[in-house]
Amino acid sequence: GAVVSQHPSWVICKSGTSVKIECRSLDFQATTMFWYRQFPKQSLMLMATSNEGSKATYEQGVEKDKFLINHASLTLSTLTVTSAHPEDSSFYICSARTTRSVHNEQFFGPGTRLTVL
Amino acid sequence: AQSVTQPDIHITVSEGASLELRCNYSYGATPYLFWYVQSPGQGLQLLLKYFSGDTLVQGIKGFEAEFKRSQSSFNLRKPSVHWSDAAEYFCAVGEAWANNLFFGTGTRLTVIP
Repeated sequence: GAVVSQHPSWVICKSGTSVKIECRSLDFQATTMFWYRQFPKQSLMLMATSNEGSKATYEQGVEKDKFLINHASLTLSTLTVTSAHPEDSSFYICSARTTRSVHNEQFFGPGTRLTVL
Repeated sequence: AQSVTQPDIHITVSEGASLELRCNYSYGATPYLFWYVQSPGQGLQLLLKYFSGDTLVQGIKGFEAEFKRSQSSFNLRKPSVHWSDAAEYFCAVGEAWANNLFFGTGTRLTVIP
């Protein structure tokens, strides 16, 4: 149980285009989902926290107009990178908390590799 | 402020040897502590977690970790490393009243035959 999927697993796009990444909880309801960004050989940096049906909370320094997050249902959150540029190339990982999660336990997706040309 | 320190950026061990990965945290109250493993190009898999109770916790794949409050540490151990254990290992601390997980910078484990 507690499986999180991401789609696509990798994407290549041209500079200036927008890319949408989906994060789904497959066998549980996720009241809260998190989006992380990971640069090569570095740790995960929390970008934003999204709660179902409400606006996402962005971490300091993360442009909310560039990284649009939608959490429309208890099983789906999307991250849209708008007007992508090469510096947005990174590994994006989502995680989710279940409605029964205790102690901040999060379940992670497999990640999405974004390359902007 | 909460923080997690993994002092070792890269560790190399021989297959069959024992392993200890260090993790130190800074947090005012009793932390919730996690160890995750990440294979190249993959997401994170939870190895084990500590919330309360017995300070020695057992995880998957033969890993264990010990919470030592006096040292603010949560070191990960394995008695005999397998080649498939080569990966990046992340220690993380969670807050009681917030959603955030704070990650260390990771330790890359190389296993040599």
